[in-house]
Amino acid sequence: DTGVSQDPRHKITKRGQNVTFRCDPISEHNRLYWYRQTLGQGPEFLTYFQNEAQLEKSRLLSDRFSAERPKGSFSTLEIQRTEQGDSAMYLCASSPQLSQGRTDTQYFGPGTRLTVL
Amino acid sequence: AQSVTQLDSQVPVFEEAPVELRCNYSSSVSVYLFWYVQYPNQGLQLLLKYLSGSTLVKGINGFEAEFNKSQTSFHLRKPSVHISDTAEYFCVGGTSYGKLTFGQGTILTVHP
Repeated sequence: DTGVSQDPRHKITKRGQNVTFRCDPISEHNRLYWYRQTLGQGPEFLTYFQNEAQLEKSRLLSDRFSAERPKGSFSTLEIQRTEQGDSAMYLCASSPQLSQGRTDTQYFGPGTRLTVL
Repeated sequence: AQSVTQLDSQVPVFEEAPVELRCNYSSSVSVYLFWYVQYPNQGLQLLLKYLSGSTLVKGINGFEAEFNKSQTSFHLRKPSVHISDTAEYFCVGGTSYGKLTFGQGTILTVHP
């Protein structure tokens, strides 16, 4: 079990640039989640996938943000035209799906820290 | 909508003393509650979880929490803390499909 991995671990970019982050979940987990954590706050839910289907998006996810999970395995989160307010830690988590649609523990990756200058 | 409130942003305590980190939740739907820990420069790790059944939940590293429906609380306790317990602790509410709502976090600092 290699756990959830995220790449890159750190990203520094200039305002207005596009960035893309990747998340590789634990292989048998069909649910994948993205969260954002700003300094001094707890993580906030952004979106989640069940297999390749994106089933919910938070209002935090503006139209500059897009997430995909094309083959139901890894996922990407893209931010277009980055703003300084996008600076945060972006966390990915995965979980298996239990019977009756219930979920189980989410396992978190180490996160990608984005700094927008 | 589900919300989670951690009542203390910082809790200093001496080594081997007991500690309680307080958490209140509000929800009108099924309740799933978790405590996650984030050690310095590390990712989030699950300490314990309440999905159903016994209201006293035991987790890793000697932590336990009690689900109290009447008081809408899920306080985390440890009878004797170690220096290595210094970390940020998050109380988390979850839906049946997995969307998590995190509290603001409590920084536990254990002093020698």
